[in-house]
Amino acid sequence: KAGVTQTPRYLIKTRGQQVTLSCSPISGHRSVSWYQQTPGQGLQFLFEYFSETQRNKGNFPGRFSGRQFSNSRSEMNVSTLELGDSALYLCASSRGSGEKLFFGSGTQLSVL
Amino acid sequence: GEDVEQSLFLSVREGDSSVINCTYTDSSSTYLYWYKQEPGAGLQLLTYIFSNMDMKQDQRLTVLLNKKDKHLSLRIADTQTGDSAIYFCAEMSGGSNYKLTFGKGTLLTVNP
Repeated sequence: KAGVTQTPRYLIKTRGQQVTLSCSPISGHRSVSWYQQTPGQGLQFLFEYFSETQRNKGNFPGRFSGRQFSNSRSEMNVSTLELGDSALYLCASSRGSGEKLFFGSGTQLSVL
Repeated sequence: GEDVEQSLFLSVREGDSSVINCTYTDSSSTYLYWYKQEPGAGLQLLTYIFSNMDMKQDQRLTVLLNKKDKHLSLRIADTQTGDSAIYFCAEMSGGSNYKLTFGKGTLLTVNP
């Protein structure tokens, strides 16, 4: 069974631009969560989607948004990028909300 | 609110046992997890324990949970150089707030 797939693996953007990250969950998993990892703040929860609905949201500004499609694939969008948005963005999938999370390799975003 | 604390560094010799400790604050936690992260990679789920258990063993890994003290530990027997990585403790909140709260991670260094 294929694991969680995130694309792209690396991304370089400049301040003010926007970016879209993609996540394909493990087959059969209906919940997708997103986390931001930085050296200073560690791993922080962004949001969780289940059956195309956002179930839970972390403490991030409205510039961070996401969506989930009917095939459970998810995208995360960050608008008006700031230098502080440079981070590893990790996607995780689970069969349902509250179940074991399996993580992808992440997208390393650098904002210049 | 939820908070998870871990010591930042642990250094052991190859063949010794490693014990990584973690404390958490959310008494309504349902599951507690240990993840491993190698350089440039995502998070690998190592093991987990349900909050009503006090011990779980899985090959070289032993998880101990003291729910009264909100203390979790991960013991790795016969530690190998390939075990060198960052280990994260995480708790899954209870109720409908399905998100993982992570510790800052413990960097395990295994010396030959």
